[in-house]
Amino acid sequence: GAVVSQHPSWVICKSGTSVKIECRSLDFQATTMFWYRQFPKQSLMLMATSNEGSKATYEQGVEKDKFLINHASLTLSTLTVTSAHPEDSSFYICSARALLGYTFGSGTRLTVV
Amino acid sequence: TQLLEQSPQFLSIQEGENLTVYCNSSSVFSSLQWYRQEPGEGPVLLVTVVTGGEVKKLKRLTFQFGDARKDSSLHITAAQPGDTGLYLCAGETETSGSRLTFGEGTQLTVNP
Repeated sequence: GAVVSQHPSWVICKSGTSVKIECRSLDFQATTMFWYRQFPKQSLMLMATSNEGSKATYEQGVEKDKFLINHASLTLSTLTVTSAHPEDSSFYICSARALLGYTFGSGTRLTVV
Repeated sequence: TQLLEQSPQFLSIQEGENLTVYCNSSSVFSSLQWYRQEPGEGPVLLVTVVTGGEVKKLKRLTFQFGDARKDSSLHITAAQPGDTGLYLCAGETETSGSRLTFGEGTQLTVNP
């Protein structure tokens, strides 16, 4: 089946630094990928839709300058959290739509100290 | 306001009991998915329903899609500790394009 690989699975960084999260579709091409944020015991909140070769579409309230998205190829989208602060600590998940439906990455636990 | 209302949000039951999780909306969905998520992992697809009135079974799990395609339910029979996890419904509407809208989730704990 369709697999989305997300790396890293966890990362700890210092306040003020930037962190890049990668999302790869391993056996299919994804012109569109989705980035979610999830707090403990809560549902997924869509942050942005990543479009291959064009600008990402951000949901209301999500700072595009803080959460930089790049989708340079049909199999790779990246989310960069810039100038990270402790309040950015969260679980970030990517997703892509394959032939039989949406498939999700395994998530990235970001802790900003 | 939440497009998909999911209930209950928390459920703690004993092994062997039955349970039902509900997902309701005022919008019509072209498709609706149910996912199960474990801590530190991404959601895993359980089922997709697309036809009003559709019923799908996956071992002890029964999924129903309402006739009007505005609601869905997940019923688990004889729950086991291995069923513990966060259950999420998510759907696509005619106007949402390829974006999924998620319900609030149901955190299920099955005690041995």
